Amino acid sequence: GAGVSQSPSNKVTEKGKDVELRCDPISGHTALYWYRQRLGQGLEFLIYFQGNSAPDKSGLPSDRFSAERTGESVSTLTIQRTQQEDSAVYLCASSLALGAAYNEQFFGPGTRLTVL
Amino acid sequence: DQQVKQNSPSLSVQEGRISILNCDYTNSMFDYFLWYKKYPAEGPTFLISISSIKDKNEDGRFTVFLNKSAKHLSLHIVPSQPGDSAVYFCAASEGDYKLSFGAGTTVTVRA
Repeated sequence: GAGVSQSPSNKVTEKGKDVELRCDPISGHTALYWYRQRLGQGLEFLIYFQGNSAPDKSGLPSDRFSAERTGESVSTLTIQRTQQEDSAVYLCASSLALGAAYNEQFFGPGTRLTVL
Repeated sequence: DQQVKQNSPSLSVQEGRISILNCDYTNSMFDYFLWYKKYPAEGPTFLISISSIKDKNEDGRFTVFLNKSAKHLSLHIVPSQPGDSAVYFCAASEGDYKLSFGAGTTVTVRA
């Protein structure tokens, strides 16, 4: 498929465990974004990757959250020592070239994370 | 602190009638606004956008209106069709890649 893919689609974990979420962006998209949507709220920006530039991590809620991206391909979002308030849908998006608002962001289906 | 608010969590409209979705924002630095549509088990998809230099943008059945003085925008869908049943998100940006989203409005189009 040509769209953004994410895995797993659902993840249930116990409080205190680490989780890793994966995103495969659209081929050729140099910009990649992670968002989080908690129940009843809008999508929150977490982190932005653009090519080989240093990522914009300004949206990460705590130092338990980290993300990596290898070149212009796969990205992983890692949450260490998960807490119940981390329960949310985590969405990945990618876009062409410059990360400007007018460059359409294409979203994946998300990973629903439940922390018990 | 949500900078973009969609105060109506749901909207039900009859097929063929107009759907009006509303969105309010608090950040006066926002200069680009977007609407996304989301079906269950899928990611949001871009629908229509508007720059702050305009007050209206139209694309087929979809029109977005922007009232900067009121910090308010709306999406009109005319005529509404069953395939329009989805969650609609309003989003805003200060021109860069960071989008601030509202919580969404679930639209149900009744046959």
